[in-house]
Amino acid sequence: DTAVSQTPKYLVTQMGNDKSIKCEQNLGHDTMYWYKQDSKKFLKIMFSYNNKELIINETVPNRFSPKSPDKAHLNLHINSLELGDSAVYFCASSQGSGQVQPQHFGDGTRLSIL
Amino acid sequence: KQEVTQIPAALSVPEGENLVLNCSFTDSAIYNLQWFRQDPGKGLTSLLLIQSSQREQTSGRLNASLDKSSGRSTLYIAASQPGDSATYLCAVHTGGFKTIFGAGTRLFVKA
Repeated sequence: DTAVSQTPKYLVTQMGNDKSIKCEQNLGHDTMYWYKQDSKKFLKIMFSYNNKELIINETVPNRFSPKSPDKAHLNLHINSLELGDSAVYFCASSQGSGQVQPQHFGDGTRLSIL
Repeated sequence: KQEVTQIPAALSVPEGENLVLNCSFTDSAIYNLQWFRQDPGKGLTSLLLIQSSQREQTSGRLNASLDKSSGRSTLYIAASQPGDSATYLCAVHTGGFKTIFGAGTRLFVKA
């Protein structure tokens, strides 16, 4: 069974559209994250949620709105997509803050803006 | 501001060779350091996690060391195999649910 699953795997859409990416983890973790990996492969944290509460919002534009309906899910909604949003978005989870145990990652969602 | 640098950016070695990947970080106030592996089109897989109080961790053919005071870590891969070909990422946990990643080292092991 996949521990952290993201859907969709690929997302191709036009500039200005609104889209959502879903993430679910079945590890029983209480913390979930969204990361963005750009074309240079740099992985940067966007958000982290602990027990459904927002802990980190790393100066991400307001067009990005995460939602955590429960501890096992963290979805990402993006409004008014821009060319610069093209990237791979990774969801991850950990127990606690990740200081003691490693984070587990999904396979990523490849977002391409036309 | 914490910055993580990985050298080299890419590495190609023949099968069977022992190799070392380097990671450096600018702020020694870290909680842990992790090495991840990323295969093309896939997410990250945690290889080794070293707590700030530890000096090294070993798993099979992999050995990771940590020198917090000098801001350095190395990942040693013994007897490399073609299946080791991937991108290896180093990441430091700075506290408060935040992890900073390096840009990675792309490794290619030739058969």
